[in-house]
This record gives sequence, C-alpha cells and structure tokens, in this order.
Amino acid sequence: NAGVMQNPRHLVRRRGQEARLRCSPMKGHSHVYWYRQLPEEGLKFMVYLQKENIIDESGMPKERFSAEFPKEGPSILRIQQVVRGDSAAYFCASSPPVGGPGEQYFGPGTRLTVT
Amino acid sequence: SQKIEQNSEALNIQEGKTATLTCNYTNYSPAYLQWYRQDPGRGPVFLLLIRENEKEKRKERLKVTFDTTLKQSLFHITASQPADSATYLCALAKGYGGSQGNLIFGKGTKLSVKP
Repeated sequence: NAGVMQNPRHLVRRRGQEARLRCSPMKGHSHVYWYRQLPEEGLKFMVYLQKENIIDESGMPKERFSAEFPKEGPSILRIQQVVRGDSAAYFCASSPPVGGPGEQYFGPGTRLTVT
Repeated sequence: SQKIEQNSEALNIQEGKTATLTCNYTNYSPAYLQWYRQDPGRGPVFLLLIRENEKEKRKERLKVTFDTTLKQSLFHITASQPADSATYLCALAKGYGGSQGNLIFGKGTKLSVKP
C-alpha cells in the first residue's frame, strides 16, 4: 500500500510565477490536509479538503493561495504570483474517513524555493 | 487560540538512557494528542495517539502520558539508541470529526542520542 505521494519534491520558481503542488493520498483515505513548514518554525495547518469540497481553509492566506481535491486525480495546492516569503516545505497528509482514530499520514513534502 | 509549547528545542542524551520530552498546551483540552517523529528532509511519521480519557499509552520503547489538569503530555523513549535521533513533534486536535481533526503542532524537540 503506497503511502502519501507528493510531487514535485523540489520546486524552484521566480518571483511572480505560479507554483502547483500535487498530493495523492493513501489508498482508502478521503481526507487531505495541507501544512506549511517554514525554516525553524512548526508545521502550520493551511487547508482541509475532502473530495470536491473544501472543509476548512482557515489557515490559508486569503490571497494567491488556493486548493482543490477533484473527484478524480490528486489534490492540488496552487500558489499564484509567488514571493520569497512563500519559500517553505509544504506537506500533505491524509487520513481515513471521519470516525477513525485521528492519526494523519504525511507525504515527503515539496520544498519550494522562490528566487 | 490554542498554543503548544515543547519546552526544549534540543535534548542531548547518552545511549541507553531514557529521553523525556515535554509538551504543554494552553486553553481548551484537546480530544486527543499525538506525537510524531520527523527526520531531516522528510515528512512527519505518526508514533502514538493518546485520548483525553487515557492517562498513559505504550508502544515498544515509547510511552506517552497525558495530564489534562496540568495541560501537559510527556513522551518517553527508554533505552535510547542513536537511531532515535530526530525531531519529535507534539500535535493536538479538538475532536475527531471534520475541522475538529485539524492538527495544531508544536515546534518540536530535536533529540540527539550519543553513542
């Protein structure tokens, strides 16, 4: 059973470009979470999605950031017009349907560098 | 808002000793608290979950305690080994369903076990 997959693992973008980060949850998992980890900082929750629904985006910056989890295919975190402050590691996690024990399974992360 | 403090940024111990890491939180008592391990350049890996009505949980050389009066969890690694060297993250959630399951993470404690 493959774990959570994220790609690309490393992404370099110039200021003003768009970044697209992809996440495929574990098989059987219908819940996806995105977190951001800045250097020397803890993991910060960004958004929680189920298939075709954004459940909670309270941790997502209001501008330039968006996320989706379509019926088919991976979840996508999209950052438009990137700035240097967006440089961070972005982690995706998945969990079983509601009612499960609560642990989340993390992918290896995408390290975004904005030059 | 809920805050988590892991009171040591770094902990150095000798191989064979017991490592004890602390996690303190403010405000509401979470429905459950989790501990994760994170190695450099990788995503967090789930270790243990303890519910609010549980005092202690064990898994092999790992032990977690949860004191809702003190608002504190202790994480112990007995007979520590150099391979246990990593950053350990404390995380908590309000509940089990929907947005209640979003995790709030501490900044982590970097454990180094010397041979």
